Amino acid sequence: QTVVTQEPSFSVSPGGTVTLTCGLSSGSVSTSYYPSWYQQTPGQAPRALIYFTNTRSSGVPDRFSGSILGNKAALTITGAQADDESDYYCVLYMGSGIWVFGGGTKLTVL
Amino acid sequence: EVQLVESGGGLVQPGGSLRLSCTVSGLIISYHDMNWVRQAPGKGLEWVSILYSGGNTYYADSVKGRFTISRDNSKNTLYLQMNSLRAEDTAVYYCARVRWISDAWGDFDSWGQGTLVTVSS
Repeated sequence: QTVVTQEPSFSVSPGGTVTLTCGLSSGSVSTSYYPSWYQQTPGQAPRALIYFTNTRSSGVPDRFSGSILGNKAALTITGAQADDESDYYCVLYMGSGIWVFGGGTKLTVL
Repeated sequence: EVQLVESGGGLVQPGGSLRLSCTVSGLIISYHDMNWVRQAPGKGLEWVSILYSGGNTYYADSVKGRFTISRDNSKNTLYLQMNSLRAEDTAVYYCARVRWISDAWGDFDSWGQGTLVTVSS
């Protein structure tokens, strides 16, 4: 069974830039997997950030961007702010109606 | 404004059943592809099931054969019938709409606040 991989944790300084990645246990992530990204704070539902690999969801500031880096999907936060401290998840479409979320990355801003 | 409100969670014994509901306003669910996504305590998100606007259904391997997704168009409500529940099904269950945009999958853009299911004796 294919596993979607994310860094368990990451830290960034306020004002800094961080890139989180979303890979596959076997193979490469491409746009055909329709990667999208979500932000979740404790006790809240997830919030959509990016879809179509690099398109920002409604109301998302432009310091969030998405891309394909090598064989992974990537979420880059430029100019990190304190309230970016959250859990971040990617999800990939595997085909045949099946979606798989990554394990999530806990981002600390300090 | 789109609103999704889940209900039906609670404490159930292993082997028991529960039916979750997701009442939606602001969009007609029969026109959209609707999902259930769960999150075990302290863990990550796990996709559970999808009901396409056209009626096809798909499930994660972890719930296949035990869970059934359905909808009542007259009530604009999505359901998840959960049978043969196990301790590992304990989670907050969210319903969410995934957008189909220009013949491609978009984002899970609308989420409810979730309902907690606890499977324990």
